[in-house]
Amino acid sequence: DAGITQSPRHKVTETGTPVTLRCHQTENHRYMYWYRQDPGHGLRLIHYSYGVKDTDKGEVSDGYSVSRSKTEDFLLTLESATSSQTSVYFCAHSSRGQDEQFFGPGTRLTVL
Amino acid sequence: GESVGLHLPTLSVQEGDNSIINCAYSNSASDYFIWYKQESGKGPQFIIDIRSNMDKRQGQRVTVLLNKTVKHLSLQIAATQPGDSAVYFCAELYGQNFVFGPGTRLSVLP
Repeated sequence: DAGITQSPRHKVTETGTPVTLRCHQTENHRYMYWYRQDPGHGLRLIHYSYGVKDTDKGEVSDGYSVSRSKTEDFLLTLESATSSQTSVYFCAHSSRGQDEQFFGPGTRLTVL
Repeated sequence: GESVGLHLPTLSVQEGDNSIINCAYSNSASDYFIWYKQESGKGPQFIIDIRSNMDKRQGQRVTVLLNKTVKHLSLQIAATQPGDSAVYFCAELYGQNFVFGPGTRLSVLP
């Protein structure tokens, strides 16, 4: 157990609907991350947070937004889901930002 | 489980043999590297790390080798066991964030 949970674990939704994925960590770590994982690609960073209310874009941020109102929670929102956002989403946390990251179990999102 | 590795290269080894998994990284300025293991349906799990001022680092049954000249990283697993079956990928710290490789699937044959 890496001290991190994600919800939901699986979700099927329709194109154009909003979707929010939740990440919760119990380690009081400052840094949190959202990645997506697709066949043939390594993990790709969507957004990350370096503190409460402090977030920044990653490599593939278009179509996604995030919020971090508490240290332990990091939300990823797809304002209007598209089929290209069908993926497995992983959340991670780390204590110092440039060291080991601890990953959640992932959320499989299917956009029809 | 999650269909992470549909298009990944696969390494098949006999149980008890040693495994060597390779990774070519992208940026010569990267100074920290991590190997992760990902089992089906689970999130990546830290195995071992190495900084650029080292060429080799050993853990329990695992060794990471770093060749900065050719930007190559390898993970050696001694006496491979069925529980080692997973996808393995490397990550390089470039700037503030990590860049992850696509991974290699390790299949352990009985």
